Amino acid sequence: EDQVTQSPEALRLQEGESSSLNCSYTVSGLRGLFWYRQDPGKGPEFLFTLYSAGEEKEKERLKATLTKKESFLHITAPKPEDSATYLCAVQGNSGYALNFGKGTSLLVTP
Amino acid sequence: DTGVSQDPRHKITKRGQNVTFRCDPISEHNRLYWYRQTLGQGPEFLTYFQNEAQLEKSRLLSDRFSAERPKGSFSTLEIQRTEQGDSAMYLCASSFSGFTEAFFGQGTRLTVV
Repeated sequence: EDQVTQSPEALRLQEGESSSLNCSYTVSGLRGLFWYRQDPGKGPEFLFTLYSAGEEKEKERLKATLTKKESFLHITAPKPEDSATYLCAVQGNSGYALNFGKGTSLLVTP
Repeated sequence: DTGVSQDPRHKITKRGQNVTFRCDPISEHNRLYWYRQTLGQGPEFLTYFQNEAQLEKSRLLSDRFSAERPKGSFSTLEIQRTEQGDSAMYLCASSFSGFTEAFFGQGTRLTVV
């Protein structure tokens, strides 16, 4: 069964303090790994898709990387508006469902 | 607005009542998903449609839950005889064919009292 574990559960950063969020996964035949951002009371907002080890994607202050066992979401010089829960999900050979981790709750203070 | 639309945004119901939610996917997307999310957890998969065919259901999906997607367009999720444990955010998402990202709606917040 596909499993996704995200760490840390919660992270507090000062504005400008770079850090990384981790997503460890076990999946039968990775078809895709997805990162989403979720604000309170709203649906997840798509950020990145990664398909194979070594792949990297960037968007503004965010950079996602992928290895055969984990993915990292690097946040460079974060701003308070980056505060949200970041969700990681995998899609494997077992079906079309996205299997999500519990997320990392990020708080960036001024 | 060309995003995924869900209705209603909030629903409060008494235990034992039936409720129905609607999802309108992005028009070009032929895949549609329903997820449930409780506080502090990631979205949990419920069911998946390709066009009008329901191809996958979570084994966790109670027989009180039923979903339809007539004509491969909008979808409805019905919960019969609601229980307090059904209180959650119900999320709908849609995607193109292939292994591509899914786009989510804003969800329907269900509270069972």
